[in-house]
Amino acid sequence: GAGVSQSPSNKVTEKGKDVELRCDPISGHTALYWYRQSLGQGLEFLIYFQGNSAPDKSGLPSDRFSAERTGGSVSTLTIQRTQQEDSAVYLCASSLYRTGANVLTFGAGSRLTVL
Amino acid sequence: GQQLNQSPQSMFIQEGEDVSMNCTSSSIFNTWLWYKQDPGEGPVLLIALYKAGELTSNGRLTAQFGITRKDSFLNISASIPSDVGIYFCAGLGVLGRDDKIIFGKGTRLHILP
Repeated sequence: GAGVSQSPSNKVTEKGKDVELRCDPISGHTALYWYRQSLGQGLEFLIYFQGNSAPDKSGLPSDRFSAERTGGSVSTLTIQRTQQEDSAVYLCASSLYRTGANVLTFGAGSRLTVL
Repeated sequence: GQQLNQSPQSMFIQEGEDVSMNCTSSSIFNTWLWYKQDPGEGPVLLIALYKAGELTSNGRLTAQFGITRKDSFLNISASIPSDVGIYFCAGLGVLGRDDKIIFGKGTRLHILP
């Protein structure tokens, strides 16, 4: 597509439930990133996918968080047994990774509220 | 780990004023990016800088890649209401890896009525 598409745009869930957030990157972009942005805060790196390489999961805050990228395109971020502190905007970004020119394009984000 | 120090954290200015914000780090970067985030939206790229010493303009915005490769600044001239938002710097290329991206914590720009 023309831009990075994320769904749902808003999700309200109860504590303890699992949620899935979807990211559809720009067609042809090989790199995909997930970030978390808590209210009024900066961008917290979660996970990074590049082509067929093993993902960089170093930013995932706990084992309740996981992500996959199927077929090198769409990615799903899953949060199990959600907690109230998981409430945040989850941003996805993709890039056509090239050495010296890795510019990220962001989606509009998925706002998660855990009651 | 690597960090970017972005300042100021927030700014309150009058419409028409010029704005200056910067990012510094102890690490060397190959690329600096500046993004703006409007409320309820994802960050949007404003300017990309690829070469030490590079000075690039985009309308009323001007950004520079510091000669030491450890800093960058963004200036906005003659601010207007739509400049309100959060500005993020990002450095790429730590340890030679362009996929390693470090974001600053953002500068929140407010324009006083």
